[in-house]
This record gives sequence, C-alpha cells and structure tokens, in this order.
Amino acid sequence: SQQGEEDPQALSIQEGENATMNCSYKTSINNLQWYRQNSGRGLVHLILIRSNEREKHSGRLRVTLDTSKKSSSLLITASRAADTASYFCARSRGGADGLTFGKGTHLIIQP
Amino acid sequence: EAGVAQSPRYKIIEKRQSVAFWCNPISGHATLYWYQQILGQGPKLLIQFQNNGVVDDSQLPKDRFSAERLKGVDSTLKIQPAKLEDSAVYLCASSSLQGPPNQPQHFGDGTRLSIL
Repeated sequence: SQQGEEDPQALSIQEGENATMNCSYKTSINNLQWYRQNSGRGLVHLILIRSNEREKHSGRLRVTLDTSKKSSSLLITASRAADTASYFCARSRGGADGLTFGKGTHLIIQP
Repeated sequence: EAGVAQSPRYKIIEKRQSVAFWCNPISGHATLYWYQQILGQGPKLLIQFQNNGVVDDSQLPKDRFSAERLKGVDSTLKIQPAKLEDSAVYLCASSSLQGPPNQPQHFGDGTRLSIL
C-alpha cells in the first residue's frame, strides 16, 4: 500500500516562481525522503529529513516536517525548466529498509 | 561511480508468457531493492536483499514472481506467467550499508514491461 500522499497531483508554474508540494503520511517514520523522477528515468534522491528535524535545506530545496500533523512539504525556489519532473515523498522506517512512496506530484515549469 | 544498470530497457510479451529482468547495483552496495511502478503511481517495493539474503518480500506475489541474488551482487527478477496487470516499470535500486545510517537509494532507469 502507498502511505504517502502528495498534493497537488499536478502543478504548472512559470519559470522563476516557487513551487511547493505537500506530502501526508499515516504511520510513524524514522525519516522522510524526497525523490525526483524525470520522464522515462529512475528516481534521484533529493533530500532526507529525520523525524527529529523540522526543516532542512539543500541548494534551492527546502523541506519541512511536522510529525504532529504527519506531513511534509518540499519547496523549490526560483524554478527552472529543468525542474520539470515528478516528485515523490517516501516514508522510511529507518536504516536500509525499503521505502513507501506516495503517488507523486507532476511539476511542469513553463519557460 | 557507475550507476545502477538494468536490462532490458523495454520488453513486450503476451500474457501467460515469462520474462526476466536483470540488475547490477553500484559496486559495493550490499542492499538491493526491486520496485514495481505502475503508470501514474509511485514505486511499490517488491523485494529487498541484503547481500544474498532476502530481507523483505512481503509484497512480492510469490505465485508468479521470483527473484534471486545468488552471489550478493547482481540480481534477476522473474515473472511467470505474466498477467495484464503486471504491465509496469520495474525499478532496481541499491544502497550502501557503510557510513552514516539512512543512506539514500540509487535507482536504475528501469525496465518498462508491456503485457499484450
């Protein structure tokens, strides 16, 4: 079963704008990870946030985690055409355990 | 470093036929995963190996799916017989057990399977 749900399912914005995607989950986590998938390709790891962290940054990416609401958000600032992809959150129980993915947000950046 | 290699990239078969996919993980990665990604959905874990042992195969339809990682390096996933609902992209991923915990998973580009 897929326990992470992303919102919105699709998002189209203009280049240079910020994009925000949300993720909700149902059970406890050790950490939550965000991945990007370009069309026809595998997933690429973007960022990991542990359950005891509230915010994390990596370049133009900012991830927040609210364990009380069982939700996370991914913010991409100053979007570029190359950011066009599907973005998935994945729940992890920790260690090397397999990931539980949501259905993803398809992001389109209009030039 | 070389990434996760998968082959073939595409496969078309008829229902009830058999098919096999191959994965070579990143060198030195002890953990290997197979995921199934149906169109429009996120990947779903099928099986996880650590070295040549199975860690989790709870979501693997064992009546038709099998997987092995005999020497603890590359792995094969087989479907026999295939059903229409098996049409999906099959992704292989690997991760390292060395270094800090919670190492990211590295994915191959997948095998896109179409069942006619």
